[in-house]
Amino acid sequence: NAGVTQTPKFQVLKTGQSMTLQCAQDMNHNSMYWYRQDPGMGLRLIYYSASEGTTDKGEVPNGYNVSRLNKREFSLRLESAAPSQTSVYFCASSADRGNSPLHFGNGTRLTVT
Amino acid sequence: AQSVTQPDIHITVSEGASLELRCNYSYGATPYLFWYVQSPGQGLQLLLKYFSGDTLVQGIKGFEAEFKRSQSSFNLRKPSVHWSDAAEYFCAVAGDSNYQLIWGAGTKLIIKP
Repeated sequence: NAGVTQTPKFQVLKTGQSMTLQCAQDMNHNSMYWYRQDPGMGLRLIYYSASEGTTDKGEVPNGYNVSRLNKREFSLRLESAAPSQTSVYFCASSADRGNSPLHFGNGTRLTVT
Repeated sequence: AQSVTQPDIHITVSEGASLELRCNYSYGATPYLFWYVQSPGQGLQLLLKYFSGDTLVQGIKGFEAEFKRSQSSFNLRKPSVHWSDAAEYFCAVAGDSNYQLIWGAGTKLIIKP
């Protein structure tokens, strides 16, 4: 009964380093999302994948890339981390479009120094 | 512009007291409305959703919300709060043809013993 699994849970990077956040869901959902959460700003969509093989930019895509590896997995890559990318990152999935409820992972807390 | 406003950043209520969290939205089309809850260190969990029909919707954990189209509101209520309800609550709106939810900034609920 895993739902949405994110790894790692915590990460500290130096400015300029790269890393990939991993996300997998076992609910056979079509759509997957990457959000960042910053205090007082709610959730902001970075990228989403409506279905396997497609990805689209969200509200704050700059500095990030994504890969929808297969139906289960959706990764987020920071090529050259910046302090402004310090945040909590959440992966989510849904059966279909925006009116389908989202299922969230437990988040990755990223600090860039 | 499409937006969701949660006017209260923090709300403090005594255990056993009633609760109402406010949510106002601005959305051009027929809205799909959601309330999510986030416990500390966790991802978000769906409390309830409104798509159509009865404007009073019931959710998990004893929560309910009422859709008022004339007031563009979707307020969350609970008759008697428990200490375990301490969390952050997010209101969100979506359309039926897109993948990008619009999120409020959240309301942090503090429970006084």
